[in-house]
Amino acid sequence: DAGITQSPRHKVTETGTPVTLRCHQTENHRYMYWYRQDPGHGLRLIHYSYGVKDTDKGEVSDGYSVSRSKTEDFLLTLESATSSQTSVYFCAISELPGGGYEQYFGPGTRLTVT
Amino acid sequence: TQLLEQSPQFLSIQEGENLTVYCNSSSVFSSLQWYRQEPGEGPVLLVTVVTGGEVKKLKRLTFQFGDARKDSSLHITAAQPGDTGLYLCAGAIGNEKLTFGTGTRLTIIP
Repeated sequence: DAGITQSPRHKVTETGTPVTLRCHQTENHRYMYWYRQDPGHGLRLIHYSYGVKDTDKGEVSDGYSVSRSKTEDFLLTLESATSSQTSVYFCAISELPGGGYEQYFGPGTRLTVT
Repeated sequence: TQLLEQSPQFLSIQEGENLTVYCNSSSVFSSLQWYRQEPGEGPVLLVTVVTGGEVKKLKRLTFQFGDARKDSSLHITAAQPGDTGLYLCAGAIGNEKLTFGTGTRLTIIP
């Protein structure tokens, strides 16, 4: 199994509070991705990184920010959590660009915003 | 805008039967991947298809990429309970990102 961990695995937070999710990899892969998974929507890309300090937006980036100060860590921050951000969040890594190359997924973080 | 439509959304069949699930789009993809996801886990890649018309087999699973690279199918022969899961297709447009379909939730009844 690819060495990807996500923390925390479960979190319940209140509306308006900041939340940071962490993705850690031991594979030294260049590309890292944050997705959210919701019923009826599949996996949707939030942000991705193509190197240390190099990030770009995905299709559902509003309300989220990311940071990557080290190759192994990719952080997703919800500045002020809202109930619409209740979801399961997955981190993925890829050695090469996502198109045509395997993405390895972490186990997910279940976030509930009350 | 959902670029990839998967059908059916839900499928429940008896063990030993055959089935096909579909992934369709109006967009042309440079490649297409199929993943399987089990409850409480992240998706796991099954196959990548790149060439229009390409067929790949993985034991009892057969994957086909449409000639125009806009659609794909996954056929399972003699389904087993271990095939139960959420099947996701994902298409690549450009080099860095994948677009995922909504998934087909498959249940194989022993």
